[in-house]
Amino acid sequence: EAGVVQSPRYKIIEKKQPVAFWCNPISGHNTLYWYLQNLGQGPELLIRYENEEAVDDSQLPKDRFSAERLKGVDSTLKIQPAELGDSAVYLCASSYTSWGSKSSYEQYFGPGTRLTVT
Amino acid sequence: TQLLEQSPQFLSIQEGENLTVYCNSSSVFSSLQWYRQEPGEGPVLLVTVVTGGEVKKLKRLTFQFGDARKDSSLHITAAQTGDTGLYLCAGAQYGGGADGLTFGKGTHLIIQP
Repeated sequence: EAGVVQSPRYKIIEKKQPVAFWCNPISGHNTLYWYLQNLGQGPELLIRYENEEAVDDSQLPKDRFSAERLKGVDSTLKIQPAELGDSAVYLCASSYTSWGSKSSYEQYFGPGTRLTVT
Repeated sequence: TQLLEQSPQFLSIQEGENLTVYCNSSSVFSSLQWYRQEPGEGPVLLVTVVTGGEVKKLKRLTFQFGDARKDSSLHITAAQTGDTGLYLCAGAQYGGGADGLTFGKGTHLIIQP
């Protein structure tokens, strides 16, 4: 079974430029997460999707960050314009959530996209 | 805001030694997960503990969830160089993680030959 796929793996851009990251979750997983991981730190949640609906975007800097999951499968995270402080690893994760029992199984992570803003 | 404090932050030991990593919080979690992350890769799930006082073993790794579900520990017996990596604990407050996980800052573990 294929895992969570992310692309690109690495991206180097100049500040003020736009950038986009793509994620394809594990087949059948209805919940998708974007996390940000700074060097030497644990991941921090940016946004969570249940199918195509963004149900928790409280930690997403909405002035420059946006995300979408139009068909409830793959997702795109965009930054425009990028700032030096955005340099980090952007991780995508997915899980299956059973709404009837209001429980979610474990999250599985992709390899991440390492962004460097110069 | 729920915080997970991991200790130690860095640990370097010789192969064959034992070690314990701690994950503490003032908040109660419905479940707690341990991940291992290698450079350039995403975190890989090792175990999920759900019940207070639960102990799970994965070969030489022993995971324990505190009785009050606020803390956890990871014990490695006879560490091997392949155990080197960043160990992350992550807590879920509701339903096993649907709300997103709260991660600790991690323990950087180096096992020297």
